[in-house]
Amino acid sequence: GEDVEQSLFLSVREGDSSVINCTYTDSSSTYLYWYKQEPGAGLQLLTYIFSNMDMKQDQRLTVLLNKKDKHLSLRIADTQTGDSAIYFCAERVGGATNKLIFGTGTLLAVQP
Amino acid sequence: DGGITQSPKYLFRKEGQNVTLSCEQNLNHDAMYWYRQDPGQGLRLIYYSQIVNDFQKGDIAEGYSVSREKKESFPLTVTSAQKNPTAFYLCASRIGGGSYNEQFFGPGTRLTVL
Repeated sequence: GEDVEQSLFLSVREGDSSVINCTYTDSSSTYLYWYKQEPGAGLQLLTYIFSNMDMKQDQRLTVLLNKKDKHLSLRIADTQTGDSAIYFCAERVGGATNKLIFGTGTLLAVQP
Repeated sequence: DGGITQSPKYLFRKEGQNVTLSCEQNLNHDAMYWYRQDPGQGLRLIYYSQIVNDFQKGDIAEGYSVSREKKESFPLTVTSAQKNPTAFYLCASRIGGGSYNEQFFGPGTRLTVL
């Protein structure tokens, strides 16, 4: 079945790196995404990675994909208080519907 | 500016009443989606529509209904048959076609049943 799991909470100090982990089960996933949700708001796409890639870097964000272990991570360098939010990973499963399966979300708390 | 709007931001309803949540997009996107978010859970797909006048059930469609009469609009009705309707509802849209297609999300509507 389709399932995406994340740890619920991560606390870091401002300036440190944050690493948010995600595991998924569907081996047919084509794209994997990281979304950010600030309090009371919708989701904002941060970055994505195609399933045939191992790594993608975009400014402070680094995505690592281990397809063998079905493990995805998001590293945020030099974490700022403005990065405090809930982070969702999502996998796009096969087919034309572009159906996304979301993880439970990880609440990132950045301490000043 | 292009985007997705959802209204109202907060909605209160008495038990036994139907209520309709609005979702409008001016991005010229073909596909639209409704998700439900509960605390400590990921988003769950309620309904989706890939083209005007067509829609399909998602994973938790029971107690909900939708229509897609216009490309820009995809309203969601929460009926009295929905046993636990209090949640945060998110609408999304995506341009049609294959390969990478980002889903853009609206700001959400928080529904509370009193």
